[in-house]
Amino acid sequence: AQTVTQSQPEMSVQEAETVTLSCTYDTSESDYYLFWYKQPPSRQMILVIRQEAYKQQNATENRFSVNFQKAAKSFSLKISDSQLGDAAMYFCAYYPFLQGAQKLVFGQGTRLTINP
Amino acid sequence: GAVVSQHPSWVICKSGTSVKIECRSLDFQATTMFWYRQFPKQSLMLMATSNEGSKATYEQGVEKDKFLINHASLTLSTLTVTSAHPEDSSFYICSARRSFGDSPLHFGNGTRLTVT
Repeated sequence: AQTVTQSQPEMSVQEAETVTLSCTYDTSESDYYLFWYKQPPSRQMILVIRQEAYKQQNATENRFSVNFQKAAKSFSLKISDSQLGDAAMYFCAYYPFLQGAQKLVFGQGTRLTINP
Repeated sequence: GAVVSQHPSWVICKSGTSVKIECRSLDFQATTMFWYRQFPKQSLMLMATSNEGSKATYEQGVEKDKFLINHASLTLSTLTVTSAHPEDSSFYICSARRSFGDSPLHFGNGTRLTVT
């Protein structure tokens, strides 16, 4: 079974600084998506960034970028110029292409605190 | 686009009663909807996958007779917690996708259930 591991339960960063959240996953599949979701206190799940496994280029979305290492099964999220509104729980998630098994597998989450 | 509405946002019910939670895709047809449960400060746990017009597939350990899922149309899935007990108190979130391979999943805002 696929698993997703976020080894950092909590992280904190100074406003305007850069922070990296770690995520590793385990799968025998070659085709899949990886996601980072943000869950603020409102508990709404917000998609931050998506990476297709077949793409070698790392995805970026404004201040958010990933370091996708397929062979190492690592998918870290870098947040640049951290803002107070970035404070939230961040979940890494794996989503296989395999029909019949297409469901999101979430990591345990990392709580990010932004210090003003 | 791709808006998922979940209702109610919060509900309080007495032990022994049943409560229904609705998940609607407002601007797209959702062939598959997923139901998650989230305990405080924990990750999302997939409860079941429902495909329109067929029986839901429950994850191991989830009581199908307690958590009744119906996906009668392409825009509506319901989760009914039957004979609720205080331990059923939790945050329930739905997500939806248009079809196999659709990504990312689109999440509802969640329902906070409190059983007294």
